[in-house]
Amino acid sequence: SAVISQKPSRDICQRGTSLTIQCQVDSQVTMMFWYRQQPGQSLTLIATANQGSEATYESGFVIDKFPISRPNLTFSTLTVSNMSPEDSSIYLCSVEVWGSSYEQYFGPGTRLTVT
Amino acid sequence: SQQGEEDPQALSIQEGENATMNCSYKTSINNLQWYRQNSGRGLVHLILIRSNEREKHSGRLRVTLDTSKKSSSLLITASRAADTASYFCATDANDYKLSFGAGTTVTVRA
Repeated sequence: SAVISQKPSRDICQRGTSLTIQCQVDSQVTMMFWYRQQPGQSLTLIATANQGSEATYESGFVIDKFPISRPNLTFSTLTVSNMSPEDSSIYLCSVEVWGSSYEQYFGPGTRLTVT
Repeated sequence: SQQGEEDPQALSIQEGENATMNCSYKTSINNLQWYRQNSGRGLVHLILIRSNEREKHSGRLRVTLDTSKKSSSLLITASRAADTASYFCATDANDYKLSFGAGTTVTVRA
């Protein structure tokens, strides 16, 4: 498995501002992903964070709104840009660890409220 | 998009009873994973079952997979108050991207 931390754990932000969420893993991982969980809903994949190249976004998510960085094999950031109340969600990063046979592990999540 | 559908949406049981929830999916998969989420926190990985496996156990958990019916079930035996949580199935269609079901909310009454 892997130990994954996220910062911040929660935040309350004003509309129109941006928030950058950090995801740190205690070991090198091949794949890192960012998910969104809207209130009372299930998880939806935002993008795959690729080390050394641009992130791969899922349908309905764009780089201008959710820029992602992955400077190395243990760290990634997700920025939620120009926020609106509709962006209020829990944002979670997940990783697939080398040798884990496809198991994915999730961070504790960042609870974002946009007012 | 969500591939999995979970049934039931909510389940309330007495402590000590068993809890069973089901997950159905639409396309071929490489594996299926079950997760637990307590009160909107992060997801805890429970168990992964591969497409060529039919049953798997981990402690009080038993997972089955029927690829012909595109369905899986999670059984929690001898439930405890600490099992109160939302449970999600997630499918991987061999591209490492997980598609999540809507989840089953389980409440264990003392």
